Amino acid sequence: GENVEQHPSTLSVQEGDSAVIKCTYSDSASNYFPWYKQELGKRPQLIIDIRSNVGEKKDQRIAVTLNKTAKHFSLHITETQPEDSAVYFCAATNDYKLSFGAGTTVTVRA
Amino acid sequence: NAGVTQTPKFQVLKTGQSMTLQCAQDMNHNSMYWYRQDPGMGLRLIYYSASEGTTDKGEVPNGYNVSRLNKREFSLRLESAAPSQTSVYFCASLGQGGQPQHFGDGTRLSIL
Repeated sequence: GENVEQHPSTLSVQEGDSAVIKCTYSDSASNYFPWYKQELGKRPQLIIDIRSNVGEKKDQRIAVTLNKTAKHFSLHITETQPEDSAVYFCAATNDYKLSFGAGTTVTVRA
Repeated sequence: NAGVTQTPKFQVLKTGQSMTLQCAQDMNHNSMYWYRQDPGMGLRLIYYSASEGTTDKGEVPNGYNVSRLNKREFSLRLESAAPSQTSVYFCASLGQGGQPQHFGDGTRLSIL
């Protein structure tokens, strides 16, 4: 089955700086890569996703890049704000069953 | 449009008690999932149902059973609760064609 590794496990950034989270996957057949944000005590919510036929996707301050050859994908958050503090999960799938990374706790320092 | 609804939101059980967690979605999604979330371990798949009438084991199925009652509802049952099953349980659903997975608000379950 698919195995997704996520790094780092914790990330502390100064407000206004950028944050980068990296994930690797094992199954070369995986073709859909979503990212979820989970605030304390809340449900995971999709923030951005990318499919295997696309190398990069942006949505305002958030971007995701995918390198199929190396089997890794990354989340980039620019101009971080206090409300970006949360746990972020990457995931990968080639069908209807997502495999999740262990999560990255992001803390934005004021 | 409620999305994915889970009940109850909180529950405390004694070891050995049984419990059914309920999940319903109103998005006409085919696939439904049960995850557990423990600190530092992300989301681990317990069981899933790719379509009405089918269920399959995920990564951590031991101690659980599921029922896909109809297209809308997917329940998770703990027959004899153990302290190791203390966790936050999330139900999720997914439409066809790789549509984003939608999560419920979670059930916080404590087993004493």
